Amino acid sequence: GAGVSQSPRYKVAKRGQDVALRCDPISGHVSLFWYQQALGQGPEFLTYFQNEAQLDKSGLPSDRFFAERPEGSVSTLKIQRTQQEDSAVYLCASSSDRGYTQYFGPGTRLTVL
Amino acid sequence: TQLLEQSPQFLSIQEGENLTVYCNSSSVFSSLQWYRQEPGEGPVLLVTVVTGGEVKKLKRLTFQFGDARKDSSLHITAAQPGDTGLYLCAGSSNQFYFGTGTSLTVIP
Repeated sequence: GAGVSQSPRYKVAKRGQDVALRCDPISGHVSLFWYQQALGQGPEFLTYFQNEAQLDKSGLPSDRFFAERPEGSVSTLKIQRTQQEDSAVYLCASSSDRGYTQYFGPGTRLTVL
Repeated sequence: TQLLEQSPQFLSIQEGENLTVYCNSSSVFSSLQWYRQEPGEGPVLLVTVVTGGEVKKLKRLTFQFGDARKDSSLHITAAQPGDTGLYLCAGSSNQFYFGTGTSLTVIP
């Protein structure tokens, strides 16, 4: 497909479980962003990759959150020991121009029970 | 922390009315973008403005970037039900910040 894809689209986890969210960016896009979005609010920046290098992870809310992009393409956001406050939509975006034009995936809605 | 404040937060209007959404910050941005997001989908880019004072038009939508590059506005003329959605501004500096969002509902 031509766009950004994310999987799974929906994830329900029990508190304390680990989850992994996948992002497939647009082919050739060097920049990749992860955001967390609460219902009705604007997305909040989590982390940014340029190719395989994680250049900014200042938005990750705790050390339970970890992101990787080992080959500069697909990225995984991992959340360890999930808590109820982690419930949100997690958006991935890719860009060919360092972020001035970002293309978003549909998001993964995470619900922690 | 979201540096960009949008107003109003919620807006419900009748089809055919005009509206303006504001995006304000105390920070200067090298560029500012507007996105529209529908439920269950990611934000879709509408426009990017990069020059202070710049005005861009996209059919019935008019976007303006403030002279000091700290604020922006989105004006919709003759709103239609298809305009319903969450409108987000976003600014680029050394990081990328989204606004707090404006939820627009256009009633037929």
